[in-house]
Amino acid sequence: GAGVSQSPRYKVTKRGQDVTLRCDPISSHATLYWYQQALGQGPEFLTYFNYEAQPDKSGLPSDRFSAERPEGSISTLTIQRTEQRDSAMYRCASSLWTGEEQYFGPGTRLTVT
Amino acid sequence: AQSVTQLGSHVSVSEGALVLLRCNYSSSVPPYLFWYVQYPNQGLQLLLKYTTGATLVKGINGFEAEFKKSETSFHLTKPSAHMSDAAEYFCAVSVREGANNLFFGTGTRLTVIP
Repeated sequence: GAGVSQSPRYKVTKRGQDVTLRCDPISSHATLYWYQQALGQGPEFLTYFNYEAQPDKSGLPSDRFSAERPEGSISTLTIQRTEQRDSAMYRCASSLWTGEEQYFGPGTRLTVT
Repeated sequence: AQSVTQLGSHVSVSEGALVLLRCNYSSSVPPYLFWYVQYPNQGLQLLLKYTTGATLVKGINGFEAEFKKSETSFHLTKPSAHMSDAAEYFCAVSVREGANNLFFGTGTRLTVIP
C-alpha cells in the first residue's frame, strides 16, 4: 500500500478480554516494528520482524503480548487477558530493511476499562 | 544502552519567533539521531535525521538540527515559527547495528501563538 495502515484506529475492551491489532506495512518493506506509547510518553519498542522472522521480542512487556507476521507482510499484535495498564497507543512502523527510515502508521488507541 | 531526554514537555512561541526544542541523548555507541513530528490524528513523520557526515542536518518544513557530540545534544531549530508548526515533536536515537529500533524521548508539544 501507499502508507502504513493500522486497524482498528480505536479499541475499547474490558479487562480480561483478548484483543488483536493489525498492521499493514508498505508493501515493499521487509522490516516491521511495533511500539507502545503510553499517555504522555514517547513510543517504546516492543518487537520487530524481518519478513516473517522475529529476531527480537525483548520489548514485549509480558507473555500476554505476542506478535505474528506469518507471510512476511501483514502483522498482528495480540494482547491476552488485557489489563488497564495495557491502555496505550500502539504504533506500527515499517522500513525497507533494518537501519532504513521507519514509516509510521496512525496507531491504534487501546483503552481497557 | 540508549536513551533520550527532551527538556520541556510544552514549548510556546510566537508566530515568526525562533523555535528551539532541546534533545540530549545517551548512547554507548555512535548514534543515529532523529526528530519526528506528530500532527493530530496522524502517524509520526520524520523531520530529519543524522547518521554520519555533516553535523548540521536540514529537514522538511525549514527545520534543522545540529549533532554536538561533546554536548551529547541534537537540538531542533527553526528560524521563524509558523502556525502550521504546532504539533508534538519527538527526538529519537538508534544504534548503527542490529534492529535499529528507535528509543524515543517523551516528546515536546509546540504551541504557536498568533
